[in-house]
Amino acid sequence: LAKTTQPISMDSYEGQEVNITCSHNNIATNDYITWYQQFPSQGPRFIIQGYKTKVTNEVASLFIPADRKSSTLSLPRVSLSDTAVYYCLVGYGGATNKLIFGTGTLLAVQP
Amino acid sequence: SQTIHQWPATLVQPVGSPLSLECTVEGTSNPNLYWYRQAAGRGLQLLFYSVGIGQISSEVPQNLSASRPQDRQFILSSKKLLLSDSGFYLCAFRVGNSYEQYFGPGTRLTVT
Repeated sequence: LAKTTQPISMDSYEGQEVNITCSHNNIATNDYITWYQQFPSQGPRFIIQGYKTKVTNEVASLFIPADRKSSTLSLPRVSLSDTAVYYCLVGYGGATNKLIFGTGTLLAVQP
Repeated sequence: SQTIHQWPATLVQPVGSPLSLECTVEGTSNPNLYWYRQAAGRGLQLLFYSVGIGQISSEVPQNLSASRPQDRQFILSSKKLLLSDSGFYLCAFRVGNSYEQYFGPGTRLTVT
């Protein structure tokens, strides 16, 4: 499975847009990119998934450049409740059934 | 709707005692099932996954084992707990070719 690299932590203020970038240089042709959010003492929650270009849902946007070696999760106008750990995962190319989480990025939103 | 249950929610066990954590899924059939462990302040470590009844894949060699006696039941066990087994244990499932995993509420295990 492709290894991912994310910043350990990020700080932001309420109302700002936050962009978290993930590097995945060894991504395979069939791999998808998935982002999860985890609050303390809870299981991770699926946020968004994409293969290339841009994907947007009601929660976030995911930007993937043409070479797919990185991806950026964009959270518009964050609030205090967005303080959480965000995980970037690469895989599920059809040949594997496992999902391996990295260390994630701790986003701390200040008032 | 699809739901996932785990119990117990919290557990305090002495070193050397056995362990049994149970996970059940409702509202779907033939899910892929997963056990993860998360140590305090750390990321999630994949322990086991299963693609069908009786089919278990182990990711980390350790004193834990997993079983899937029924399609929607996943059990994590140990014969003798170690202090290092303390952590937050999460069960999850995935259906078909979906890229989305659904996680249970977790079990907080403290080994003393």
